[in-house]
Amino acid sequence: EVQVVESGGGLVQPGGSLRLSCETSGFTFSRSWMSWVRQAPGQGPEWVAAIQPDGSEKYYVDSVKGRFTISRDNAKNSLYLGMNSLRVEETAVYYCAGDSLAYWGQGTVVTVSS
Amino acid sequence: QAGLTQPPSVSKGLRQTATLTCTGNSNNVGNEGAAWLQQHQGHPPKCLSYRDNSRPSGISERFSASRSGSTASLTITGLQPEDEADYYCSAWDNTLSGWVFGGGTKLTVL
Repeated sequence: EVQVVESGGGLVQPGGSLRLSCETSGFTFSRSWMSWVRQAPGQGPEWVAAIQPDGSEKYYVDSVKGRFTISRDNAKNSLYLGMNSLRVEETAVYYCAGDSLAYWGQGTVVTVSS
Repeated sequence: QAGLTQPPSVSKGLRQTATLTCTGNSNNVGNEGAAWLQQHQGHPPKCLSYRDNSRPSGISERFSASRSGSTASLTITGLQPEDEADYYCSAWDNTLSGWVFGGGTKLTVL
């Protein structure tokens, strides 16, 4: 059974930082493209970042370039997202998605507010 | 980043067949195919089909995906009340080097 579990969300002030984690099992993580996708209240999903299976290439939506960092640990079947200089409009549920969006977690809520 | 085009809403009767569409271009849907996601209110997205027409384990055969050129389609047969949800398509865009999403289609089962 595939399991994807995100953690690390919370309330942070504008300009603050958070690090999200995603633990996975049940599929071949080390061979899977992994992504972070967020969904603001009442909106559709928005892709945030992706990373190749070996971690050699990373891709970001323009609005987070230079502030967010995606990384992975294939030995731990885990994905991470470091987020700096957070903005109010980045309040959303952040999802970890694996293997070309085939597998999704329950999400972790990030609230950016003063 | 530019998105994919989906009709905002589709309504069909119980036990009927619904076909949802998703239009992109040669850099995304036309090249890599699309993934289809189902989302019920208050729940995370669930993948119904990925890499054009691969179905994750546990997904009913009532859901089938196809593609013609730069338009992807999701066909749902024998509509059930629980199929009422928002449906999103997504595809990797080679020019943008990222996933693009459609705006979603709200499916109503009458």
